[in-house]
Amino acid sequence: GENVEQHPSTLSVQEGDSAVIKCTYSDSASNYFPWYKQELGKRPQLIIDIRSNVGEKKDQRIAVTLNKTAKHFSLHITETQPEDSAVYFCAWFVGGTSYGKLTFGQGTILTVHP
Amino acid sequence: GAGVSQSPSNKVTEKGKDVELRCDPISGHTALYWYRQSLGQGLEFLIYFQGNSAPDKSGLPSDRFSAERTGGSVSTLTIQRTQQEDSAVYLCASSLGLAKYEQYFGPGTRLTVT
Repeated sequence: GENVEQHPSTLSVQEGDSAVIKCTYSDSASNYFPWYKQELGKRPQLIIDIRSNVGEKKDQRIAVTLNKTAKHFSLHITETQPEDSAVYFCAWFVGGTSYGKLTFGQGTILTVHP
Repeated sequence: GAGVSQSPSNKVTEKGKDVELRCDPISGHTALYWYRQSLGQGLEFLIYFQGNSAPDKSGLPSDRFSAERTGGSVSTLTIQRTQQEDSAVYLCASSLGLAKYEQYFGPGTRLTVT
């Protein structure tokens, strides 16, 4: 089946703390895993992604890790700031060629308290 | 360069009426996707187009929904005989193709069926 389980559904942290969001997917053929940030009333924005041939990718305060054996991937945000508050969606993609659809998790509402 | 644009930004319609939603992808992007986001929910895939290939319509919820893409660029999503459960934000995304999987979203059209 095409399922992505995303946890937690809500996450509240103090400014400066780290935040971790985890997703589990079902299709072992998945080869691309993006994370999107969506602020209230705005479009989803791609913040980081990882392909199945890589175990970890970092971009400043954001990192994504992938465990293909366990079929899960995680978003790590360090030194959180109030502007990180948003809904975060994980997604997975099966693309044998150049294109394919994304299946999304249900989202995590992250609140960073000053 | 210009991002994905969508029109209208908001649409209120009466139950039973037909609506058309428009998407202009990023110039040069060969793949175009439609997703639906209900209040407080994740993104649900509807349909995608890739170049001149037949579209993947596997996510369309009923035969009241259809989409076309003219000239490999602009796309129109049509919902016939709208129902209240069609109320949602309809998001369009595009990607470059050619093994570039990153999908970039438009601002969405908020559809309200009264």
